[in-house]
Amino acid sequence: DAGVTQSPTHLIKTRGQHVTLRCSPISGHKSVSWYQQVLGQGPQFIFQYYEKEERGRGNFPDRFSARQFPNYSSELNVNALLLGDSALYLCASSGVSGNTIYFGEGSWLTVV
Amino acid sequence: EDQVTQSPEALRLQEGESSSLNCSYTVSGLRGLFWYRQDPGKGPEFLFTLYSAGEEKEKERLKATLTKKESFLHITAPKPEDSATYLCAAYSLYNQGGKLIFGQGTELSVKP
Repeated sequence: DAGVTQSPTHLIKTRGQHVTLRCSPISGHKSVSWYQQVLGQGPQFIFQYYEKEERGRGNFPDRFSARQFPNYSSELNVNALLLGDSALYLCASSGVSGNTIYFGEGSWLTVV
Repeated sequence: EDQVTQSPEALRLQEGESSSLNCSYTVSGLRGLFWYRQDPGKGPEFLFTLYSAGEEKEKERLKATLTKKESFLHITAPKPEDSATYLCAAYSLYNQGGKLIFGQGTELSVKP
């Protein structure tokens, strides 16, 4: 069975540009969350979506947005990129019980 | 303020030298304590979820335990392939959903 899949795996953007990151959850999982991990730190919560509705938003500026599609896949969008947005962006999926939360391999974003 | 703290930040062991990693937490609305393993450049790999004080779970050379304020990850007779960063995270109710609050991780190095 496929795990959580994310794309692209690596990308380089210029300050001020926009980026879209994509995530496909484990089959049957309806909840998708996004996290940002800066080098040397633990992941920080950005968004949670369940059944296509936003259930929570972390302490990130409005430049960050996300959505979940009818097939439960998700996109994370970041506008007006800053150098400080350089990080590993992780997608996590979980089932209804939330007993296990699985992460994808992440998308490495470098802003230059 | 919700907080998760891991210690030590880094741990160097000889192969076969058992030790423990600590995770202390102060989290309201706690709904589970998660442990993950993260290899360099990869997403976190799910290890355990613990829910109540006194609970223990084991997987190969790893055993996780939980008290009301701390969790421990015991590593028995580690091997070089156990080298990784181990992340602890508390799952907390947040808005209409929940989120993982991560510690900064413990970087484990096991030398042959």
